[in-house]
Amino acid sequence: DAGVIQSPRHEVTEMGQEVTLRCKPISGHDYLFWYRQTMMRGLELLIYFNNNVPIDDSGMPEDRFSAKMPNASFSTLKIQPSEPRDSAVYFCASSEGWGYNEQFFGPGTRLTVL
Amino acid sequence: RKEVEQDPGPFNVPEGATVAFNCTYSNSASQSFFWYRQDCRKEPKLLMSVYSSGNEDGRFTAQLNRASQYISLLIRDSKLSDSATYLCVRMDSSYKLIFGSGTRLLVRP
Repeated sequence: DAGVIQSPRHEVTEMGQEVTLRCKPISGHDYLFWYRQTMMRGLELLIYFNNNVPIDDSGMPEDRFSAKMPNASFSTLKIQPSEPRDSAVYFCASSEGWGYNEQFFGPGTRLTVL
Repeated sequence: RKEVEQDPGPFNVPEGATVAFNCTYSNSASQSFFWYRQDCRKEPKLLMSVYSSGNEDGRFTAQLNRASQYISLLIRDSKLSDSATYLCVRMDSSYKLIFGSGTRLLVRP
């Protein structure tokens, strides 16, 4: 079975550019999460969806960040405009249900903003 | 103060050693905890769940001390393949996962 798929795996861009990260959750999982990992702040939840509907976006750092889930098999995280402090590894995860259901992480997108 | 605090390490131990690391949390209402393992430049993966006082899975034992608000992970007979970063995770009241920054373990031959 394919796990969570993320693309691109690496992204290098210049400050001010738009960045779009993509995620395909595990088939049948109805929860999708976006996390960000940095050395300073560790792994932080940005936003999560249930059945394609955003439930909690309290972790989104600011208006430059937006996330969508147009269907059950695809989600995007967009940063516009990007800044050097956005440099991090962005993980997407999915789970079969809420609460104690295990979250399965994708391989991550390593973003560098110059 | 961070919600979940861990010693960043690294813990450098010889193969076959027993190693333990602790994680402290600040929210006394927390009910559930987890240990995730993250290899270098890889994604986190669930290692163990800690629902009550603790549990054991082969060489790994996790314990929860609610009075002192800490969770421990004990690894016996450590293997080279145990080298990784171990993330302590608290589940908050809305079932969101709060991650610690991780403890790095290096097992040497």
